[in-house]
Amino acid sequence: GAVVSQHPSRVICKSGTSVKIECRSLDFQATTMFWYRQFPKQSLMLMATSNEGSKATYEQGVEKDKFLINHASLTLSTLTVTSAHPEDSSFYICSARGTSGSSGYEQYFGPGTRLTVT
Amino acid sequence: AQRVTQPEKLLSVFKGAPVELKCNYSYSGSPELFWYVQYSRQRLQLLLRHISRESIKGFTADLNKGETSFHLKKPFAQEEDSAMYYCALSLTYNTDKLIFGTGTRLQVFP
Repeated sequence: GAVVSQHPSRVICKSGTSVKIECRSLDFQATTMFWYRQFPKQSLMLMATSNEGSKATYEQGVEKDKFLINHASLTLSTLTVTSAHPEDSSFYICSARGTSGSSGYEQYFGPGTRLTVT
Repeated sequence: AQRVTQPEKLLSVFKGAPVELKCNYSYSGSPELFWYVQYSRQRLQLLLRHISRESIKGFTADLNKGETSFHLKKPFAQEEDSAMYYCALSLTYNTDKLIFGTGTRLQVFP
């Protein structure tokens, strides 16, 4: 089946620094990847849609200059949290949508990255 | 605005009891609806989608457009069904961005 990985699984950074999170589709190509944020005991909130080779589409209220998304290849999207602050501490989850064939158009989710900003 | 509502945060049942996890949506067009499940310490995974009209792990869900509902049902709950369940709405046929409900935690006691 289609597998999506995220790296790192956990990261602790100091306030004011930037941190990059990678999302990879391991055995299929994904023209579209999605980035979600999940607060404790809450649902997933879509942050942005990442399309390979083009600019990401951000949801209302999400600062594009703070959450930089790059989708340079069909198997990799990165989310960079710039100038992180404690309120950015959260669980970040990516998903990748297959293009067709065996992976279809279903979204496959990564295991998530726990970001803690101190 | 599009919205997915799951009114129950927690649903506790005993093994063998019927289960119904409620989901209501708000969307003026023709939606595509999903149920996702997240077992303890595992990633989110698709349980079923309404267009497939299939039963997965004994779970079924019927789209009721009149009531704008997509409730998840299982006649006899098992302990291994204990998990977090999310109802999700996609606005296009080809699984474009998903709008998630707040989730319902199902606890099945022995």
